[in-house]
Amino acid sequence: LAKITQPISMDSYEGQEVNITCSHNNIATNDYITWYQQFPSQGPRFIIQGYKTKVTNEVASLFIPADRKSSTLSLPRVSLSDTAVYYCLVGDPNTGNQFYFGTGTSLTVIP
Amino acid sequence: EAGVAQSPRYKIIEKRQSVAFWCNPISGHATLYWYQQILGQGPKLLIQFQNNGVVDDSQLPKDRFSAERLKGVDSTLKIQPAKLEDSAVYLCASSFGQGILNYGYTFGSGTRLTVV
Repeated sequence: LAKITQPISMDSYEGQEVNITCSHNNIATNDYITWYQQFPSQGPRFIIQGYKTKVTNEVASLFIPADRKSSTLSLPRVSLSDTAVYYCLVGDPNTGNQFYFGTGTSLTVIP
Repeated sequence: EAGVAQSPRYKIIEKRQSVAFWCNPISGHATLYWYQQILGQGPKLLIQFQNNGVVDDSQLPKDRFSAERLKGVDSTLKIQPAKLEDSAVYLCASSFGQGILNYGYTFGSGTRLTVV
């Protein structure tokens, strides 16, 4: 079971790029890294998933170095609506039940 | 497409009472999950169903919690009797297959339970 470490909280000004790093030193060969976003009073929402190198979609990028012991979620030009808790999950997507949520990173975007 | 539906949205009960939560997953999603999220913490998996069979219930407190998924569609999570520490948001999620490659889970908005 991968032990996951993320910063508890971060602040950023509107329009800036935000990078949230997740440490997962004992990631297993079959594990993927998945990031979720959660707003108050809502369930978590899938943002992005990756295995290695770089993955980009319409909302974020995910950078994973060669050793895969950490990963970085990058949110370009954040807005106030990006204020939320961001969770890094590590696990084997082919089993589904191996993904565990940590305490997440609370991002506050400041005007 | 319709999302994951959960009801009720809020529930307040006294300790030692019983309570039940209902979940209707996205149509066609074979896998259904129940999570418990205590305030300030990340969601914790309680139980995972594949169709109407249990895949993982290792973190379900079976002395007081039970869950079922009849006919492989809707699911009910029950707590009997409730304790103060059961106060939390109970989230239901579903996925197309047993794995969550590429798209992850789709979560409902949850049921906020307060035990007094």
